[in-house]
Amino acid sequence: RKEVEQDPGPFNVPEGATVAFNCTYSNSASQSFFWYRQDCRKEPKLLMSVYSSGNEDGRFTAQLNRASQYISLLIRDSKLSDSATYLCVVKPSGTYKYIFGTGTRLKVLA
Amino acid sequence: NAGVTQTPKFRILKIGQSMTLQCTQDMNHNYMYWYRQDPGMGLKLIYYSVGAGITDKGEVPNGYNVSRSTTEDFPLRLELAAPSQTSVYFCASGLAGGRADTQYFGPGTRLTVL
Repeated sequence: RKEVEQDPGPFNVPEGATVAFNCTYSNSASQSFFWYRQDCRKEPKLLMSVYSSGNEDGRFTAQLNRASQYISLLIRDSKLSDSATYLCVVKPSGTYKYIFGTGTRLKVLA
Repeated sequence: NAGVTQTPKFRILKIGQSMTLQCTQDMNHNYMYWYRQDPGMGLKLIYYSVGAGITDKGEVPNGYNVSRSTTEDFPLRLELAAPSQTSVYFCASGLAGGRADTQYFGPGTRLTVL
């Protein structure tokens, strides 16, 4: 089983739609969780950290479910500019290493 | 503030050649990382460093070497390049722990080994 698993997609959604991605992780000792965004042929950029209580940043909401070992990202009112690959990242406790999922590709269609 | 810079942006190597990928950050971060990303795959950690003079292996260190003589610089050395090392290489730096925990990535180096 991969340490971090994501549905590769692509998720094709119309503008204005709400879309959600899940990511599962295998190490129950994981401590920190993140969503990164990567545009085609560009470097990853932090979208948001994921906190135990859940957190929201504008149209983006991230949730953590430790019992089921998954994190989620919800995007409301999708924009064309949201088209990208979304990387789930997990950092186990006691390490300095980040484990990256292979990413979920989102295409927002006009 | 330039952030994380990487040179070169592109490079083509012949099998058996060597090269150094440069990475510099100006944010005074202690933690620095080298990743490779193959097409359609996630990032794989090659080496990382938690401070000047301290480096450690990641998931895929074979065929690579690193050094960290200063806080700012973290070069990655490829010895005896092989086609399997064709990839995009990203350097990152960051703060670890607490709400400041994040990584900042450089723009990447696209390497082809023929």
